[in-house]
Amino acid sequence: DSGVTQTPKHLITATGQRVTLRCSPRSGDLSVYWYQQSLDQGLQFLIQYYNGEERAKGNILERFSAQQFPDLHSELNLSSLELGDSALYFCASSVGPGTGVNTEAFFGQGTRLTVV
Amino acid sequence: SQQGEEDPQALSIQEGENATMNCSYKTSINNLQWYRQNSGRGLVHLILIRSNEREKHSGRLRVTLDTSKKSSSLLITASRAADTASYFCATEVLYNFNKFYFGSGTKLNVKP
Repeated sequence: DSGVTQTPKHLITATGQRVTLRCSPRSGDLSVYWYQQSLDQGLQFLIQYYNGEERAKGNILERFSAQQFPDLHSELNLSSLELGDSALYFCASSVGPGTGVNTEAFFGQGTRLTVV
Repeated sequence: SQQGEEDPQALSIQEGENATMNCSYKTSINNLQWYRQNSGRGLVHLILIRSNEREKHSGRLRVTLDTSKKSSSLLITASRAADTASYFCATEVLYNFNKFYFGSGTKLNVKP
């Protein structure tokens, strides 16, 4: 158990809909990262939040947005869903930015999103 | 494009053999990490090697890093069926702390 909790585990929704994925980081971790893993693909970095603020942005579509709340949990919002958005969405957490000493990221088990 | 790329994409070996996976990346890094992912599950951190290190060991794992070639290798010795998984390298780009880029992974199949 990595200590990172993602809900829901599975989500099936129709095209055009909007969903929210939730992530609770490990206790004490200030950074949350979101990744998308399409079938047989590597992980695509979407976005990172650190202590409530957006810190880094990767290949995140404009239809997607995220936020990190004061209690440090994070939500990834996916809207106007398309078939191609079907993927595993992973959340990871780490202690936080600094000198790069503590950069190990701990991953949740992922949310499998299926868009039909 | 992806910062890290693993090679080979797939590897099939017999139990007891060694497995070697390679990772190449494009820009300077703070560190490089290897992760394992069992089918459809979350990633598990295996080992981190910093840019000023050349080799690191952890149990049956040996990681090397050649920053001049921008490449790393992961060696799993005396492989077991339980090592069957996908292995990803992740790079933390220099001065972009905590921003990790993953390759597309190597699928390792260890046959009993």
